[in-house]
Formats: sequence, structure tokens, C-alpha cells
Amino acid sequence: QVQLVESGGGVVQPGDSLRLSCAASGFTFSNFDLHWVRQAPGKGLEWVAFIRNDGSVKYYADSLKGRFTISRDASKNTLYLQMNTLSSDDTAVYYCVRDPEGAMGPFDYWGQGTLVTVSS
Amino acid sequence: QSVLTQPPSVSGAPGQGVTISCTGSGSNIGTGYGVHWYQQLPGTAPKLLIYDNVIRPSGVPDRFSGSKSGTSASLAITGLQAEDEADYYCQSYDSNLSVVFGGGTKLTVL
Repeated sequence: QVQLVESGGGVVQPGDSLRLSCAASGFTFSNFDLHWVRQAPGKGLEWVAFIRNDGSVKYYADSLKGRFTISRDASKNTLYLQMNTLSSDDTAVYYCVRDPEGAMGPFDYWGQGTLVTVSS
Repeated sequence: QSVLTQPPSVSGAPGQGVTISCTGSGSNIGTGYGVHWYQQLPGTAPKLLIYDNVIRPSGVPDRFSGSKSGTSASLAITGLQAEDEADYYCQSYDSNLSVVFGGGTKLTVL
């Protein structure tokens, strides 16, 4: 069965960097576009980034101001999110999601999420 | 402020029906991009409920239905059950190359 398992979250200080990982299984990794979506505590869903199945195209939310980088490694069936210059506004649960239609939605599978807390 | 506008909350008694609206604009829902709906039960990851405006994934009860008209979409839930109490989000794509979500609607089953 399809599984997306995020890891790498934790507590960091403002200005720090962090790399999230999402291990995928149960489907042909290189056939699917993937995204990161985040949810701040008690808040709604916010789209973060997109990467095409072959890694050739990437889009980001404007609000990130170029601080985040999405990437993928087909040999490891893993999606990544490199996050730099973190601030308290980045505190959230980060979800890895699969995009089966390659049309920027819908998202048919979600990971369980990994919590990133930015605090001094 | 979310690009797609949803009511913050709706409520209904068991057995009744509710509708959740999702209002966008000419750069997202109005351009013909699909609208998708997610259900998020407390403490869990969101789950796909409706996709491409009206399609239910396998396993989603037919009490849930979606519709779209112009720059708006709606999620209707009939025969409310206690387990339907959750947050519901609409999602689409905006022509400025971004995925957009509604702010979410909290459904309370009275």
C-alpha cells in the first residue's frame, strides 16, 4: 500500500536550517509529482512546494521568499525539503503529499506529518 | 488570508444536511481548474474526500457530494453522523503557479 513517511522535524532556533525527508513506498516513485504542505498549530493548510515526477520543474509558495528548496532522489524513493533561515512563522506540521493527476491537485495520499518548531 | 474563502464553521443535527461553500476567483476556480475537498479529523492528516469537483474516491460514502459553478464550489453532506465532525478544506490551483487552499470549515454535529 502507498506510504509516505516524513522525518527530520524537531525544535530549532530562529535562523537555523533543517532538512525534512519523506520516504515513499508502495508506488512507482518516479511516476508521481509530489508536494509539501504545512499546517501551523490550530491553523489551516498552506501549500509549500511542488516538484515534478522527474525533478525537472519546481514551484514554491511566494511567502517563502526563496528560503526553501524541494528535491527528490529516485534511487532512494525520497522527497526532501531544505529549509533555511527559519523563523517562528515556519512552525508547523509538514506533510508530504502525492499528486496523482500531475495537475497541482488533488492530493490522494498524505504522510502523517513531521512537526517543526522554531523557538528561541 | 486564504485565496479560497470558506465559512469558518457550520453545524447540523444528526441526520440533517449541511453545505460548505468555497469561493474563489477568475484566476483559480473560475478558470476551470478542479476543486478538491479534504476532511481532517482531529489529530490526523487530511484525507481526500472529493476530487475534480464531483468525484468521490473509493470508500467515501455517497452522503458526501461536490459541485462547482463559476468561481465557487460546494461540499454537501447529507445524513450527518457524529463521525463527520471534522475540519473540511477546499483546494484548487491558481494561474500564478500556486496551489491554493480554503481557510477551512469546522463542522460540528450537534
